[in-house]
Amino acid sequence: AQSVTQLDSQVPVFEEAPVELRCNYSSSVSVYLFWYVQYPNQGLQLLLKYLSGSTLVKGINGFEAEFNKSQTSFHLRKPSVHISDTAEYFCAVSDHGRGSTLGRLYFGRGTQLTVWP
Amino acid sequence: DGGITQSPKYLFRKEGQNVTLSCEQNLNHDAMYWYRQDPGQGLRLIYYSQIVNDFQKGDIAEGYSVSREKKESFPLTVTSAQKNPTAFYLCASSIDLSQPQHFGDGTRLSIL
Repeated sequence: AQSVTQLDSQVPVFEEAPVELRCNYSSSVSVYLFWYVQYPNQGLQLLLKYLSGSTLVKGINGFEAEFNKSQTSFHLRKPSVHISDTAEYFCAVSDHGRGSTLGRLYFGRGTQLTVWP
Repeated sequence: DGGITQSPKYLFRKEGQNVTLSCEQNLNHDAMYWYRQDPGQGLRLIYYSQIVNDFQKGDIAEGYSVSREKKESFPLTVTSAQKNPTAFYLCASSIDLSQPQHFGDGTRLSIL
């Protein structure tokens, strides 16, 4: 089974500053990687995904993430945040190696991003 | 618009009572999932279903039951055996292995 580590539970940042939310995963087998955002009392919304190809992935709302296989990381970045980006962000990994379970996602514990004016 | 509908949004359970959470999707997805979310713990998988009439236990299935009689529907029953049911429950679906999961807006369950 995969384990997903989001290194920061809380990230406070001022508006228009850059931000990086960190995510590391355990398995070295072929993986699919995702970042989701959750606003209060709502479900999760997909920000971006890495399935294959270019290691730099661009998503919605100006977010991007870079897949680093050697470091088993998939950090999320935004060059300039807005107050509306305040939300909880979840990294998720799907293990597609041999014997994997269909569509099984493993989630990190989440990072609360708070953007201050 | 296609999507996932969870109902009710808020649900209260008395001690010793079973309650059922509804999840309906019109995305024509084969796979459906139930997650439990507790503060600071991320999402934990309760049950999932790959196709109609088939489902598998996730990591925390004890005290829960599901059915998958129709492709569109995947209801979750929280039984009286679940001793700590207070949580936010999320339903999701996906079309296949390579596609991400789509989530409903969740049901918040509380104990009276």
